[in-house]
Amino acid sequence: DTGVSQDPRHKITKRGQNVTFRCDPISEHNRLYWYRQTLGQGPEFLTYFQNEAQLEKSRLLSDRFSAERPKGSFSTLEIQRTEQGDSAMYLCASSLGHGLAYEQYFGPGTRLTVT
Amino acid sequence: DQQVKQNSPSLSVQEGRISILNCDYTNSMFDYFLWYKKYPAEGPTFLISISSIKDKNEDGRFTVFLNKSAKHLSLHIVPSQPGDSAVYFCAASAGTGNQFYFGTGTSLTVIP
Repeated sequence: DTGVSQDPRHKITKRGQNVTFRCDPISEHNRLYWYRQTLGQGPEFLTYFQNEAQLEKSRLLSDRFSAERPKGSFSTLEIQRTEQGDSAMYLCASSLGHGLAYEQYFGPGTRLTVT
Repeated sequence: DQQVKQNSPSLSVQEGRISILNCDYTNSMFDYFLWYKKYPAEGPTFLISISSIKDKNEDGRFTVFLNKSAKHLSLHIVPSQPGDSAVYFCAASAGTGNQFYFGTGTSLTVIP
C-alpha cells in the first residue's frame, strides 16, 4: 500500500496526558499537512511542512501542539496536556507540491478521545 | 470566519440522474479549488481540481464548474451511482496551495 498511513487509528487518553501521532506520507511527496476535523465540520488546517521545514502554522493552533518532520519523511504531531476540546479526528495529508500538483492525499486519520 | 461554504448539508438523488453539489467562497484571492469525497471512517479522497484560469474541468463522470465573478463552484456527477453516496467537501487555496480551506461538506445519497 503506497498511500498515506497514520498511527494509531484510535487513541483514548485522560485529560492532562500527552499524546503523539505519526504520519507516513506517500514516499515521493515533499509536502505534508496536518488537519483536525470535528463532527459536522470540514478539515481545519493545523500546519504544513515542505520537506523537513515547517512553513506554516495555523494561528488557531495552541502552544500545546507541536509537529515535527525531522528527516523530511514521516511526521509526528504531539499534543501536550490534552483537554476535552482536543477530541477530534486528526488527519494527515501529503502532496507533491510543485507545478499544479497540489492535490492532497489524505490518510485514514487518528481519532482522539479525551476523557 | 468560514471562507468556504457549502450551504446544503445533504442531497438525495435517484440513481442515473445528475447530482449537483454547490460551494461558495468569499476570498477573492483563492485561485485553486478541489473536491474531495469522504466515506465514513476513512480520510477524504481527492476527486477533481480546477485552477482559476479555467471555468470547467472534466474527469469521467465528474465535472467541476467555476464562476469566479460569483465566487461559486459546483460539482456535477453524471450519471449518479449508489457508490457515489458519501460526504463531499470543497476546498480552496490562494497562491501555491500552502493552506487549504474546506467547506463543511454535503452528504450525498444516491437512491437505487
